[in-house]
Order: sequence, then C-alpha cells, then structure tokens
Amino acid sequence: QITLKESGPRLVKPTQTLTLTCTFSGFSLSTSRLGVAWIRQPPGKALEWLALIYWNDDKRYSPSLKTRLTITKDTSKNQVVLTMTNMDPVDTATYYCAHTHVPAAKGKFDPWGQGTLVTVSS
Amino acid sequence: SYVLTQPPSVSVAPGQTARITCGGNNIGNKFVHWYQQRPGQAPVLVVYDGGDRPSGIPERFSGSKSGSPATLTISRVEAGDEADYYCQVWDSSSDSWVFGGGTKLTVL
Repeated sequence: QITLKESGPRLVKPTQTLTLTCTFSGFSLSTSRLGVAWIRQPPGKALEWLALIYWNDDKRYSPSLKTRLTITKDTSKNQVVLTMTNMDPVDTATYYCAHTHVPAAKGKFDPWGQGTLVTVSS
Repeated sequence: SYVLTQPPSVSVAPGQTARITCGGNNIGNKFVHWYQQRPGQAPVLVVYDGGDRPSGIPERFSGSKSGSPATLTISRVEAGDEADYYCQVWDSSSDSWVFGGGTKLTVL
C-alpha cells in the first residue's frame, strides 16, 4: 500500500522561502519509472501542478513558477523536498504530494497525500 | 499554455446519470485522468487513461476513451458522489501537467 504525507511550516512570512517534505512508503524512488509530484490548491480554487521528480532525478517544473521552485529527493529516506522562494500571500494553499510514473503522457497522480495548508502572512 | 475547460457545476437527482465534460485543444489525442475531491479531503483518482478505473472505484464511474470533449459519466448517482471533479492531462508543448478548473457535482 502506497502512502504519502506532507510536512512543513503552516505559516510563512512574505518573501520567505517555503520548504516542504513529502515522506512516503510502499514504493521506492530507486525503482525505475516512478516519480513524486507536488500539486497545490488555494482555498476554494482549482488544483495546480507545481513540480515533479522521477527515479532517475529527472525534474520538471511548472513554467509559471519554475524560477521559484526546486525539487529534490532523498532515496534513502523515502523523501521528496520542494522549496519555493519569495513566498507571497497568493501562495496560500494546501500543498499535496502524489505518486506518479512515466511516461509523462500517461502520468496520473495516485495516490495523494493528505495535504498541508500553508498560509503566507506577516 | 494549455487550458482544460470544465463546467463549474452539474446537478443531478439520485439514481440519475451525471456527465461532466472536459474540453481542450486536441484533447481526443491525450490521456485524460479524472479525480474526485470530497469536501476537506485530498483528491482521489477515479478514472485514468480516459476510461479505465483504479481498483476499488465502482463501475458506476466511466469515461470516454476518445473524442472531444472528454467526459466523465457517473451512473446511478448517489449522495456520496457529491464532490468536486477535476480532469487532468499532460501537455507536451509545455511539458507540464494541467488540471481543469473543476466541476462541483450536486446531488439534488
């Protein structure tokens, strides 16, 4: 059974850097074809894909946010870390991580973590 | 950037059939995935690759494998199906994963 759980600060100040950790079990990112994605959802709004990392360290970023995002993995700890710089109140959202796979064209997100709400406020 | 268009809301009586559409440029040539998100919960995959169901998802949930727009069909709708539904594809032009704006399904 695959499970994922997000962790990180619940409150960050504007201009600060957000660091979120996704800790997962039931699979390994040393296994070919697997990956982990980050997706966010502002309160009352739609889902937005942010970033994705594959088993081979191939990384993809949302074109609109790529200058602010960094995704890394620690295979030994079964963790994926997302950092987002220069946080703004509009970045207030629930942040999810999810299991995925190649090929990208068929890439779906299943399952998802429970999500963590991050509020950006001074 | 690639845009997926969903109706904001769909309403249906219990026992009836709900159809939720997802439109996008050349969507008939893409693999479309559908997620159900109940209030306060994380999204759950209900249909993938257009028309396949993950294990544990009732047969009442089905999807169109081809054509435009993509459609999620929920037969014999139950009160527990009330949720937001999102479609998702991968856009090769931007090498990014895209979600629709979501559709709120209300069971009358």
